[in-house]
Amino acid sequence: QVQLQESGPGLVNPSQTLSLTCTVSGGSIRSGFYYWSWIRQPAGKGLEWIGRVYSSGSTNYNPALGSRVTISIDTSKNRFSLKLTSVTAADTAVYFCARDQWDTVRATTWFDPWGQGTLVTVSS
Amino acid sequence: DIQMTQSPSSLSASVGDRVTITCRASQNINSYLNWYQQKPGKAPKLLIFAASSLQGGVTSRFSGSGSGTDFTLTISSLQPEDFATYYCQQSYNTPLTFGGGTKVEIK
Repeated sequence: QVQLQESGPGLVNPSQTLSLTCTVSGGSIRSGFYYWSWIRQPAGKGLEWIGRVYSSGSTNYNPALGSRVTISIDTSKNRFSLKLTSVTAADTAVYFCARDQWDTVRATTWFDPWGQGTLVTVSS
Repeated sequence: DIQMTQSPSSLSASVGDRVTITCRASQNINSYLNWYQQKPGKAPKLLIFAASSLQGGVTSRFSGSGSGTDFTLTISSLQPEDFATYYCQQSYNTPLTFGGGTKVEIK
């Protein structure tokens, strides 16, 4: 079964760039009708979708994050990555990666599975 | 953006109770609605996709219904392992958005 694992620094200085990687195991990141998403959750709060990437490299982003977000994919290493620039304390959150499964019959998507999440704190 | 509003934001219930959580979309999203369960310190887990389809391996205590703008997640007989926070999520268009969550607590 497919598993996802986030990795990256747990502490980032304000105004710097947050960089995370999600490694996919148990299946190819190129296979099937899947997008690969990043989602975050500030402590005690709800979930916010950041954006997603397809195996071709095409992306969709949440406009709420403006031009600060870049999501890329490395099919040779079976992983995808998130970069968030000019971070502030408001970007402190648990960051999850998830497979965004596209169902052609129902013409819809859903997140499954998810990585365990990684806490990123923005502080000097 | 499509706004997703869940109610209630929290509820207290007893083991064996029937529990209903509602989710309302700010516009018609057909049946493009998913439900997740999240326990403290854990990632969300998919329960229901496309409004009413039960994810494989998920107990049939959970069911989903609705279309258009109004949706419901029902737990037929609450069990101790069901105490958690539940989120709805629309997949009609991007940005994909979640409801604010409903915390189900023990009475």
